[in-house]
Amino acid sequence: AQTVTQSQPEMSVQEAETVTLSCTYDTSESNYYLFWYKQPPSRQMILVIRQEAYKQQNATENRFSVNFQKAAKSFSLKISDSQLGDTAMYFCAFMKPQTGANNLFFGTGTRLTVIP
Amino acid sequence: NAGVTQTPKFRVLKTGQSMTLLCAQDMNHEYMYWYRQDPGMGLRLIHYSVGEGTTAKGEVPDGYNVSRLKKQNFLLGLESAAPSQTSVYFCASSYRGVTNTQYFGPGTRLTVL
Repeated sequence: AQTVTQSQPEMSVQEAETVTLSCTYDTSESNYYLFWYKQPPSRQMILVIRQEAYKQQNATENRFSVNFQKAAKSFSLKISDSQLGDTAMYFCAFMKPQTGANNLFFGTGTRLTVIP
Repeated sequence: NAGVTQTPKFRVLKTGQSMTLLCAQDMNHEYMYWYRQDPGMGLRLIHYSVGEGTTAKGEVPDGYNVSRLKKQNFLLGLESAAPSQTSVYFCASSYRGVTNTQYFGPGTRLTVL
């Protein structure tokens, strides 16, 4: 089974500042996908960003970017210019594509609070 | 386009009672999933389906059954609820293929007394 570790249960950041959330994973696979999901107080799971393991270039989505270190099995999320609406639980997730299913394995989450 | 919807949003059961959670999606997705989320843990996969009429076990399937009689619906059943099944349940769906993204429903909070 794949394991995903988020070692920071809680973090806080001042509005407009930058914060980085950590994620490490364990796998013997070479082809896989990594995701960051956001879960605001509304409980809705929202995809923030995804990274394909075969791509060396780090994914970016507006204020969100990742630092993907394949050899170190590390996948951190950087949030720039933090906004109050970024306050949420953030989950790192791993997926190994396989015939018949594409199951996600989630970390335990990091609760991020943006302070005005 | 409602995306992924779940019914009900909240439910309280007594130990031993049964219930069915309904997930519906209007995106014509082939794959559907049921997860549970417990405090201090990430989402864990209960069961999933890769198409109408097919289901498979995930990471934590014990105590649950599922059915996918129609492509747009995925039902999660608890035949005899136990307090350990108190959790928030999420349904998700995605297209077939390795580039898919899973889209999640709003969740159902279930309490078993």
